[in-house]
Amino acid sequence: GAVVSQHPSRVICKSGTSVKIECRSLDFQATTMFWYRQFPKQSLMLMATSNEGSKATYEQGVEKDKFLINHASLTLSTLTVTSAHPEDSSFYICSARDPKSYEQYFGPGTRLTVT
Amino acid sequence: GQQVMQIPQYQHVQEGEDFTTYCNSSTTLSNIQWYKQRPGGHPVFLIQLVKSGEVKKQKRLTFQFGEAKKNSSLHITATQTTDVGTYFCAEKRSGGYQKVTFGTGTKLQVIP
Repeated sequence: GAVVSQHPSRVICKSGTSVKIECRSLDFQATTMFWYRQFPKQSLMLMATSNEGSKATYEQGVEKDKFLINHASLTLSTLTVTSAHPEDSSFYICSARDPKSYEQYFGPGTRLTVT
Repeated sequence: GQQVMQIPQYQHVQEGEDFTTYCNSSTTLSNIQWYKQRPGGHPVFLIQLVKSGEVKKQKRLTFQFGEAKKNSSLHITATQTTDVGTYFCAEKRSGGYQKVTFGTGTKLQVIP
């Protein structure tokens, strides 16, 4: 099956700093990628839809200025958590949609801890 | 937005017992997908059901989509320790970007 990678897998940062998370589709070109956040013992909540070459579409309640999304190429989307705070600590998961099959493939996730 | 509810939230079973999780929506679903997330891992796609009343099987797993397309169930026969994880139902929206919206999940613990 298709593979989606995320980097880093884990990151610890200090409050007030920014963190960039990368999501790559390794064997297909993804015009659309999705970013999810999962708090402990909770479900995945869609944060935003990342579109190659255009602005991301954010879900209601997600601050676009805090969670910057850049989908600069057909295989890479990045999520930057700006001025991170402890409440941003979470598991961030991306998925990429294969334009041929329309199936979504999930990345392994990035666990962010803000101290 | 409205989230699809799953029950139970947690389930502990003895190895060899059966397990069922139910997914309920107040609105008609376009389809239903099921995912499994192991502890510390990411969701892994299991199956998609589209038709009203559809039933699909994967070895010990049986998936069912309700006649009204508002509910679904996942049944595991004779659980094994490898079945441990959280099971999510989800809907892939039709049209647009085809966003996937996840249910609340059921965490399964299997006692050896």
